[in-house]
Amino acid sequence: AQSVAQPEDQVNVAEGNPLTVKCTYSVSGNPYLFWYVQYPNRGLQFLLKYITGDNLVKGSYGFEAEFNKSQTSFHLKKPSALVSDSALYFCAVRDSRDEEYGNKLVFGAGTILRVKS
Amino acid sequence: DAGVTQSPTHLIKTRGQQVTLRCSPKSGHDTVSWYQQALGQGPQFIFQYYEEEERQRGNFPDRFSGHQFPNYSSELNVNALLLGDSALYLCASSLNAGVPYEQYFGPGTRLTVT
Repeated sequence: AQSVAQPEDQVNVAEGNPLTVKCTYSVSGNPYLFWYVQYPNRGLQFLLKYITGDNLVKGSYGFEAEFNKSQTSFHLKKPSALVSDSALYFCAVRDSRDEEYGNKLVFGAGTILRVKS
Repeated sequence: DAGVTQSPTHLIKTRGQQVTLRCSPKSGHDTVSWYQQALGQGPQFIFQYYEEEERQRGNFPDRFSGHQFPNYSSELNVNALLLGDSALYLCASSLNAGVPYEQYFGPGTRLTVT
């Protein structure tokens, strides 16, 4: 069964500094990886995905993520953080072997990002 | 282009009651998934509907059931509510195609069981 670990409950960063939110995963087949952001009392908003190809994926709002197969990681990054980036971030994985049966996502527990001015 | 919509926004029920939550998918999407997000946790997959049938199911009891209509909208029903069913229920829609499309989420329904 697939699983996702987000080892940090909270990440604090100063505005203008680079940020990284960590994610590691476990799947039987090939991973399809996603990052979502959730603002208070809101649903999840899609940021970016990795399906295949280039290990560096670029997404919305200046975010990017790096897929590392050997380390089974998919860390979210941004070169310069904004106060408005403060939110709850979720990493999710879908197993390519699951395709036949559906496309459920398995989420990590989430990481709170706080950007201070 | 309307995104995923859910109703109601909030709901308060008593233990033992039954509840129905509704979801309309993003235009052009044909697959609907439901997730439960307990406080302080990530979303947990309940089930997924495609072509009006339950295609995939997570580790949830039979008290949780659903339906998909010909217009792709969906309902989530929960019977015999327990206090532990209190959570944010998220609906997500996607397109069933060869390429793994991302799922688009609605704003959720906050269910409180007292």
